Amino acid sequence: AQKVTQAQTEISVVEKEDVTLDCVYETRDTTYYLFWYKQPPSGELVFLIRRNSFDEQNEISGRYSWNFQKSTSSFNFTITASQVVDSAVYFCALSGFETGGFKTIFGAGTRLFVKA
Amino acid sequence: GAGVSQSPRYKVAKRGQDVALRCDPISGHVSLFWYQQALGQGPEFLTYFQNEAQLDKSGLPSDRFFAERPEGSVSTLKIQRTQQEDSAVYLCASSLSRPPPYNEQFFGPGTRLTVL
Repeated sequence: AQKVTQAQTEISVVEKEDVTLDCVYETRDTTYYLFWYKQPPSGELVFLIRRNSFDEQNEISGRYSWNFQKSTSSFNFTITASQVVDSAVYFCALSGFETGGFKTIFGAGTRLFVKA
Repeated sequence: GAGVSQSPRYKVAKRGQDVALRCDPISGHVSLFWYQQALGQGPEFLTYFQNEAQLDKSGLPSDRFFAERPEGSVSTLKIQRTQQEDSAVYLCASSLSRPPPYNEQFFGPGTRLTVL
């Protein structure tokens, strides 16, 4: 079975601090994709990044960076110099067609509070 | 509009009533997904459409739940004889790609269903 675990339920930081959101996944698929989505208070999930299982290169996009390590089945997300606008719930997700079919499996989310 | 829209945004139903939730995906998007999001949890997959074909309905919790997309665009999720445990936010997402759903999904704002 496929599973995504986000062990951090809530994180609170002060503006300009760096923060890392953890994601650990389980799958038997050899080909799979990992995602991060942001859900602001308005409710709409917003896509942030997709990674396939064959590409372990870390990625940086502005203040956001992602660390994918197959050896530990982790796909962690770091926000550098956090801002109040980063306050949201962040979901890690997994898709693998071999065992998951058309499903995307989401973690329970990490709620990030960034205080001014 | 350019995004996924859902209606109604809020629905209150008495236990036992039938409800219908509508999703307008982004024009031209082949794939359409329905998710159920309970309070404090990540979205849980309900069903998947490729155009008008429902290719996966394994996440529908019971036979009271029914989804359709007759012309391959607008989709309706119907819940018959609602029960209190059906209270949740129902999210619709669309994606340009054909299956498997490895591409990013664009989410609507959701319909918050409260069953009294």
